[in-house]
Amino acid sequence: VHLEESGGGLVQPGGSLRLSCAASGFTFSYYEMNWVRQAPGKGLEWISYIKSSGDAQYYADSVRGRFTISRDNAKNELYLQMTSLRVEDTAVYYCVRDPIFDSWGQGALVTVSS
Amino acid sequence: DIQMTQSPPSLSASVGDRVTITCRANQGIKNYLAWFQQRPGKAPKSLIYAASTLQSGVSSRFSGSGYGTDFTLTIISLQPEDFATYYCHQYYDYPFTFGPGTEVD
Repeated sequence: VHLEESGGGLVQPGGSLRLSCAASGFTFSYYEMNWVRQAPGKGLEWISYIKSSGDAQYYADSVRGRFTISRDNAKNELYLQMTSLRVEDTAVYYCVRDPIFDSWGQGALVTVSS
Repeated sequence: DIQMTQSPPSLSASVGDRVTITCRANQGIKNYLAWFQQRPGKAPKSLIYAASTLQSGVSSRFSGSGYGTDFTLTIISLQPEDFATYYCHQYYDYPFTFGPGTEVD
């Protein structure tokens, strides 16, 4: 099982960014997926979930309405579209396989700063 | 939202020690509880799920117990690679939540 995030970087407050997570080593379309983030020096925060078929999503209150999770099962990829970014969204973002969070990517750093 | 607490926030231990970390949920979560280990600069690693089931490939030095609201993670005979931060996590209901972490140093 391998998960690899990409798309992180520096963005100004109010800006947008899209993270991708490439999955390999398992049948991606069978699994539900999540995004979890970790602000510098802080703990873990779950932010979003998507059903294996892509037709159901859940979000943490902190990102609902600003972030959108999606997936392309044909490409074995998971996405997180982030808009209206805030300084407090600065974190390492991990894609994580459900249901028991057994596999994590290495993380993508998103820095929101002017 | 389900709130998770952990104690202690940190602990000092030595190689060979037995370490116990507790995790409490503010409402019942049955056994929908997982434990993760995170070393500095690394992604979290799954240790235990369903409160007491050891993840494949994880050392039997680790064990978990509990049901409902109170859970424990025990590490017997602490090894150098076990010095890390440990998080509990409930996946009983959305939004999923994590405990604040326990640093073992």
